[in-house]
Amino acid sequence: EIVLTQSPATLSLSPGERATLSCRASQSVSSYLAWYQQKPGQAPRLLIYDASNRATGIPARFSGSGSGTDFTLTISSLEPEDFAVYYCQQRSAWPPHTFGGGTKVEIK
Amino acid sequence: QVQLVESGGGVVQPGRSLRLSCAASGFSFSTYAMHWVRQAPGKGLEWVAIISYDGSIKYYADSVKGRFTISRDNSKNTLYLQMDNLRRDDTAVYFCAREKFEFGGANPFDYWGQGTLVTVSS
Repeated sequence: EIVLTQSPATLSLSPGERATLSCRASQSVSSYLAWYQQKPGQAPRLLIYDASNRATGIPARFSGSGSGTDFTLTISSLEPEDFAVYYCQQRSAWPPHTFGGGTKVEIK
Repeated sequence: QVQLVESGGGVVQPGRSLRLSCAASGFSFSTYAMHWVRQAPGKGLEWVAIISYDGSIKYYADSVKGRFTISRDNSKNTLYLQMDNLRRDDTAVYFCAREKFEFGGANPFDYWGQGTLVTVSS
C-alpha cells in the first residue's frame, strides 16, 4: 500500500501570502496525484488532478507540481476562503485509493 | 447539475448493521464508478470502497473487508453501503463520491455528497 505523507501538518499564514504544501509518496505514483480542499462541515472539493491539472472552476492561484514521489500544491496568494484543510490522494496503485493525512492552512 | 445525497446514517450499537444510500442525479449514473469515503470525527479522509460502473468489480479497504458490502442499482440511480458487525471505530461521516471520468476505477473524485454521520455506540 502506498503511504502519502503531507507536510507541514499546519501552516499559519496571512491573507495575500504564498502557501506551499507538500505531499510525499512512499513509492512512485507517477503523476497520478490529486489535491482536495475541505472546509469545516463540508465535503472535500477536487482542486488538482494528475499532479498539475486544475479541476473545473478552480482559480488560477491554485497550482500543482511534481512527479514520482514528491508533489507540491501552491496557492500563490491566499484569499480568506482558502483557509481550510488540504489532502492529497494517489490513484497509481489501488486499491486502496489512499489519502494523505492533510495539511491545515490557518490564519496567522 | 450533479447531485449526490446520502442517507441512512444514525446511532447504532456495536455488532449491529446499517445500510447507507446515495441517491445520484444530474448525470449518467450507470457509466461512472462510485466510491465511499469516510472521515472519523476530527480526523482525515479514509477511502472505504469502490464499485465499477456496472457493479461487476468491487474493492474494499482492509479495515472494512468482510464486514461492508458496496452495491448499486443503476435503474434507481442509487449507491449503497451495507455495514455489518459495526465497531466503535467505524464512527464517521460517510461520503459517496463520483469519479471524474466515465468507465473508470482509478480516477479522482470530482463530486461528493454532503455526508451522513454514523455513530457506533452502546
